[in-house]
Amino acid sequence: QKEVEQNSGPLSVPEGAIASLNCTYSDRGSQSFFWYRQYSGKSPELIMSIYSNGDKEDGRFTAQLNKASQYVSLLIRDSQPSDSATYLCAVTSSASKIIFGSGTRLSIRP
Amino acid sequence: EAQVTQNPRYLITVTGKKLTVTCSQNMNHEYMSWYRQDPGLGLRQIYYSMNVEVTDKGDVPEGYKVSRKEKRNFPLILESPSPNQTSLYFCASSLYPWDTEAFFGQGTRLTVV
Repeated sequence: QKEVEQNSGPLSVPEGAIASLNCTYSDRGSQSFFWYRQYSGKSPELIMSIYSNGDKEDGRFTAQLNKASQYVSLLIRDSQPSDSATYLCAVTSSASKIIFGSGTRLSIRP
Repeated sequence: EAQVTQNPRYLITVTGKKLTVTCSQNMNHEYMSWYRQDPGLGLRQIYYSMNVEVTDKGDVPEGYKVSRKEKRNFPLILESPSPNQTSLYFCASSLYPWDTEAFFGQGTRLTVV
């Protein structure tokens, strides 16, 4: 079992709809959870962080964390073509390592 | 401007020829790390450092070395590169590993022939 798992996609969503990205993790001691966006050929950029159970909203982005079920998700409302990218879930393990999932490719179709 | 600077951006080398990829940050961050990114495998952590003279192995440390003699610099050393180390490498820094403000360098595309 991978430590951080994501569906590789591609996930195709119509413009204006909600894109839902999911991630599960195996280390129950994990405390910090992040979503990064990476455009092709570019560096990852941090878009959301979440540390406690529940929802955290920032503009069109909402991160959701459920530690009991060991999953974290990212919702993107009113999806735009500029949201087309690979989204990486990252988890800080109990050993201070940062572990990334393999990423989900998101494509927003006009 | 807050940034993480990696050099070189592109490098083609031959098997066994020692090389160093430099990484420097200007934000006084405690935590720095190196990742490699391969298709379908996401970002895998090679080494990380919690502070000066404190380094630890990530998930794929074999064939790599690092040093942290100064807070701002965290070079990645390949003593004897092999073709399976052909990859895209990223350096990153943050105040702490759980910190929101994580910055990545521009990436180094390494090809070992």
